[in-house]
Amino acid sequence: DAGITQSPRYKITETGRQVTLMCHQTWSHSYMFWYRQDLGHGLRLIYYSAAADITDKGEVPDGYVVSRSKTENFPLTLESATRSQTSVYFCASSESRDRWYMTSYNSPLHFGNGTRLTVT
Amino acid sequence: DAKTTQPNSMESNEEEPVHLPCNHSTISGTDYIHWYRQLPSQGPEYVIHGLTSNVNNRMASLAIAEDRKSSTLILHRATLRDAAVYYCILRDGEGAQKLVFGQGTRLTINP
Repeated sequence: DAGITQSPRYKITETGRQVTLMCHQTWSHSYMFWYRQDLGHGLRLIYYSAAADITDKGEVPDGYVVSRSKTENFPLTLESATRSQTSVYFCASSESRDRWYMTSYNSPLHFGNGTRLTVT
Repeated sequence: DAKTTQPNSMESNEEEPVHLPCNHSTISGTDYIHWYRQLPSQGPEYVIHGLTSNVNNRMASLAIAEDRKSSTLILHRATLRDAAVYYCILRDGEGAQKLVFGQGTRLTINP
């Protein structure tokens, strides 16, 4: 039962470098999400995806790029890292249908354990 | 998204019940009430959700006021492992899957 895994767990990078955070889920969930968590701001949604090749902006998308070529993967790329992007990043997934195979907008989100990113 | 108001922190003792309140006076008819918690150094974890009726599961109970403007998450017998930040979130039952987190309540459990 692998669930949802994020890699790397910790990452230190320099300002201006490109860095990609990986997220992989084994449930074939339709929806995937990226959040960042900072002291004083709580958890904020960066991007989300309803299915492969469908992505949408969240609350704080600037400076980030996402892709979803396969259902199980949802990488988050910082094209040119800045110090303000130092944060803990959480990936999550959820199903779009309930156990009766009806469309459900209340399926729980399942979160990974996060990637702690430091930009120096 | 409709807002929720929770106390910043609460404290309780091990093996006692804990009642975590949440106010959501602007809740709409299609909003579900969701609760998540975040243990130290972990991602958030789903706890429970409901619409109008009280709900129970293996982790907790959710009591929803008749006018739906407030709710209470009940941990029946707190353990040290229940120390976490608890988030009360309104989620549009006809909208997107995304969750909008507030600041939550930091629950401390005393041995």
